[in-house]
Amino acid sequence: GENVEQHPSTLSVQEGDSAVIKCTYSDSASNYFPWYKQELGKRPQLIIDIRSNVGEKKDQRIAVTLNKTAKHFSLHITETQPEDSAVYFCAASKPGGSYIPTFGRGTSLIVHP
Amino acid sequence: DARVTQTPRHKVTEMGQEVTMRCQPILGHNTVFWYRQTMMQGLELLAYFRNRAPLDDSGMPKDRFSAEMPDATLATLKIQPSEPRDSAVYFCASGVPRMGGYTFGSGTRLTVV
Repeated sequence: GENVEQHPSTLSVQEGDSAVIKCTYSDSASNYFPWYKQELGKRPQLIIDIRSNVGEKKDQRIAVTLNKTAKHFSLHITETQPEDSAVYFCAASKPGGSYIPTFGRGTSLIVHP
Repeated sequence: DARVTQTPRHKVTEMGQEVTMRCQPILGHNTVFWYRQTMMQGLELLAYFRNRAPLDDSGMPKDRFSAEMPDATLATLKIQPSEPRDSAVYFCASGVPRMGGYTFGSGTRLTVV
């Protein structure tokens, strides 16, 4: 089955800095890669996703890049703000089923004011 | 804003008792997942349904866990008998394959003492 590795497990940055979270996947058939943000005590919420037919996608301060050859994808957050502090999960899924997402272990992002 | 509704939000029970968690998926979503979240294991897939049919419950301890979807508006996850190691947050998520990421409910925080 699919295996998703996520790094780092913890990331501490100063407000205004950029943050990068990286994930690798094992199954070359995976073609859909969502990112979820989970604030303390709350549910995971989809913040951005990318499909394998594109290499990069942006939405305001967040962007995701995908390298299919290397089987890795990354989340980039620019101009970080304290409200960006949360746990971020990457996931990978593939067709031929129900696009079941396999999640990474999560990255705890702390943005210091 | 459509939501996945889970009940109860919190449950404290004694070891050996039966626990039933309920989920109302978003109307029109034909795929429903149950995930368990712990610090040690992260997000683990327990079961999923498509069009109410169970497609995969390989992640679920069969001897004590059961998942059903009696109708399109209700999914249930039952633990009998419960054990302290079952203490976790249980999330339900729903969505439509190929349409993008899934929507999570607010979770049921289960504590078995």
